[in-house]
Amino acid sequence: DVKVTQSSRYLVKRTGEKVFLECVQDMDHENMFWYRQDPGLGLRLIYFSYDVKMKEKGDIPEGYSVSREKKERFSLILESASTNQTSMYLCASSLWTGGYEQYFGPGTRLTVT
Amino acid sequence: AQSVTQLDSHVSVSEGTPVLLRCNYSSSYSPSLFWYVQHPNKGLQLLLKYTSAATLVKGINGFEAEFKKSETSFHLTKPSAHMSDAAEYFCVVSDQTSGSARQLTFGSGTQLTVLP
Repeated sequence: DVKVTQSSRYLVKRTGEKVFLECVQDMDHENMFWYRQDPGLGLRLIYFSYDVKMKEKGDIPEGYSVSREKKERFSLILESASTNQTSMYLCASSLWTGGYEQYFGPGTRLTVT
Repeated sequence: AQSVTQLDSHVSVSEGTPVLLRCNYSSSYSPSLFWYVQHPNKGLQLLLKYTSAATLVKGINGFEAEFKKSETSFHLTKPSAHMSDAAEYFCVVSDQTSGSARQLTFGSGTQLTVLP
């Protein structure tokens, strides 16, 4: 079974703090994705990566950056957390070829106060 | 460009009765289509996928969906609802124009309530 893990289930940070969200997948997938999920807005893509050290902006990259130094690990960074970044963050991974379905981690619920 | 419309934001059924969650899609090319389920405070779990093989797709937990190209629909059904089916369901499309890594486009979700 594909397993995608995220470093924290719940996180509380203060405005202005630098926040790191970590995601690890164990199935040698090329693609990795970060989404945020908000009530009424559904899932929105923040960034994705199709290879080590490669990244592309999604629909809402402002205020975020990412890092992919190893194939299995994809980090989301909030350089200076703000209250409007309070959300559920979901990481996913997929193969480069095949059915293109994405496998999701359990999510990190981030609260910025 | 691709898009997905889930026609009902909320569906309520009684336990033991059929479930129908409706989804229409728009895609320029032959799409891949998926249904995901999300239980409260959990990540998304893949229920089933269509990738241009059989048009009737069977998934986990007794769910199935039928791809109808003429109607651009991919409705999710289950013959008999169980209390554990209560969750949010997402219809998702991916097509060949998505770029360097196949991106998914998510519907807005349908919240399924199962009444005892």
